[in-house]
Amino acid sequence: GAVVSQHPSRVICKSGTSVKIECRSLDFQATTMFWYRQFPKQSLMLMATSNEGSKATYEQGVEKDKFLINHASLTLSTLTVTSAHPEDSSFYICSARGEASENEQFFGPGTRLTVL
Amino acid sequence: TQLLEQSPQFLSIQEGENLTVYCNSSSVFSSLQWYRQEPGEGPVLLVTVVTGGEVKKLKRLTFQFGDARKDSSLHITAAQTGDTGLYLCAGFYNFNKFYFGSGTKLNVKP
Repeated sequence: GAVVSQHPSRVICKSGTSVKIECRSLDFQATTMFWYRQFPKQSLMLMATSNEGSKATYEQGVEKDKFLINHASLTLSTLTVTSAHPEDSSFYICSARGEASENEQFFGPGTRLTVL
Repeated sequence: TQLLEQSPQFLSIQEGENLTVYCNSSSVFSSLQWYRQEPGEGPVLLVTVVTGGEVKKLKRLTFQFGDARKDSSLHITAAQTGDTGLYLCAGFYNFNKFYFGSGTKLNVKP
């Protein structure tokens, strides 16, 4: 099956710094990538949807200037958490959908962000 | 408010018991998916249901999609400790947005 990787898997940073998380589709071209955030013992909450070459669409309540998403190629999307604060500490998961199936998407293993 | 509501939120049962998890929405979905997630990992797809009224079986797991395509259920027969995890329903809404349900945390005790 298709594989999606995320890097880094874990990151600890100081408050006020920026952190970049990469999401790559390794063996297929992802026309759409999704970014989710998951707090402990909660479900995944959609943050934004990004299509290659266009601006991301953010969900209500998600600050686009704080969570910068770039989907510059068909295999790579990045999420940058700018000026991170402790409340941004969470598990961030990406998923990618290819052209082959509109119902199918593949999830990355997630990135655990801890902001001190 | 969640687009997809799951019930129950938590479920703790003994090994060997049966259980059903429900996923409900006021909106129609072209398809619904069920995932299972372990702590610290991404969700793993269990099944996709596409047709209203569809029933799919995966060993001891039975998935059903409501006739109106607004709800789904997951039934586990003779639960095992290995079934412990977070179960999530999810689906594409307006084609290009994918939402997860509120989640059901299942704990199967030996």
